[in-house]
Amino acid sequence: EDQVTQSPEALRLQEGESSSLNCSYTVSGLRGLFWYRQDPGKGPEFLFTLYSAGEEKEKERLKATLTKKESFLHITAPKPEDSATYLCAVRGTGFQKLVFGTGTRLLVSP
Amino acid sequence: EPEVTQTPSHQVTQMGQEVILRCVPISNHLYFYWYRQILGQKVEFLVSFYNNEISEKSEIFDDQFSVERPDGSNFTLKIRSTKLEDSAMYFCASSARPDTQYFGPGTRLTVL
Repeated sequence: EDQVTQSPEALRLQEGESSSLNCSYTVSGLRGLFWYRQDPGKGPEFLFTLYSAGEEKEKERLKATLTKKESFLHITAPKPEDSATYLCAVRGTGFQKLVFGTGTRLLVSP
Repeated sequence: EPEVTQTPSHQVTQMGQEVILRCVPISNHLYFYWYRQILGQKVEFLVSFYNNEISEKSEIFDDQFSVERPDGSNFTLKIRSTKLEDSAMYFCASSARPDTQYFGPGTRLTVL
């Protein structure tokens, strides 16, 4: 069964303090690894899709990377508005569903 | 930028009542999905819908649930007889291919 584990559960950073979030996965034939941002009481907001090991995607202060077993979301010089829960999900071969992790709650203090 | 919309934003119902949650997917998308998130838990897949039929469903999606695309724009989730444990945020999503899924803002369902 496909599984996603995210760490840490929660992360508190000072503004400007860079860090990384981890997403470990097991999947039967990766068809995509997805990062979403979720604000409290809102729906997941799409950030990145990664398909194969070695792939990297960037958007503003965020950079996602992928290996055969895990993905990292690197946050460079975060700002308070980056505070949110970051969700990782995978799609396996033969499936349309996304399997989500429990997320990392990020709090960036000014 | 096109968005998935959902109505209502909050639905309160009595146990045993039927509810219908509505979604308008992004207009040129062909794949539609429902997920739910119980408070404090992970987002869970319920069902996917393509070409006017269910293409995949989870164990959660039992006979109490049904989905429909009644016209060219709406996609609905019906829960026939709600239970307390159905209380959750319900998210609709859509995609152009079975790939990147775009989520709506959710409907918070409270069953009393």
